[in-house]
Amino acid sequence: DAGVIQSPRHEVTEMGQEVTLRCKPISGHNSLFWYRQTMMRGLELLIYFNNNVPIDDSGMPEDRFSAKMPNASFSTLKIQPSEPRDSAVYFCASSVGSGPGRPQHFGDGTRLSIL
Amino acid sequence: DQQVKQNSPSLSVQEGRISILNCDYTNSMFDYFLWYKKYPAEGPTFLISISSIKDKNEDGRFTVFLNKSAKHLSLHIVPSQPGDSAVYFCAASSTDYKLSFGAGTTVTVRA
Repeated sequence: DAGVIQSPRHEVTEMGQEVTLRCKPISGHNSLFWYRQTMMRGLELLIYFNNNVPIDDSGMPEDRFSAKMPNASFSTLKIQPSEPRDSAVYFCASSVGSGPGRPQHFGDGTRLSIL
Repeated sequence: DQQVKQNSPSLSVQEGRISILNCDYTNSMFDYFLWYKKYPAEGPTFLISISSIKDKNEDGRFTVFLNKSAKHLSLHIVPSQPGDSAVYFCAASSTDYKLSFGAGTTVTVRA
């Protein structure tokens, strides 16, 4: 079975540009998570969708960040305008349901560098 | 506000010996704990978990121990193999979707 698929794997862009990260969750999974990993803060949850509906976006750092899930098989995380401090690895994860006992399955991440 | 702490950033162990990774937490509402393993350039992979109603869970070479009174858990890998060389993350949750991750421990298994 295919795992969580993220694209692109690497993105290098200049500050001020719009960045769009993409995620395809595992088929049949109805919970989707976006995480950011940095040296300073480790892995932190940005936003959580359940059945395509955003449930918790309290981790989204600023209004420059937005996420959508138009259908069960696709989600995007957009940064506009991007800043150097947004440089990080962004992970998407999915699970069947949510909560204890339902491990999240992670994609391989997008390494984002903002110059 | 680090609610999950892995105080050892790295661990080196000889192949065949036991690896012991430690994790401490501060939030008494946490009732489910997980360990994830991560190779370079890949996402974290779920390894093993434990509910707060248990004090031990075993899966092959991997055993997780939970000491609720001390707010401490540990992961034992016996015997350690070269393929176990990776970063290991401890994570905790209460009865919802939100996982709090530790900073990770890099394990190196020496031949």
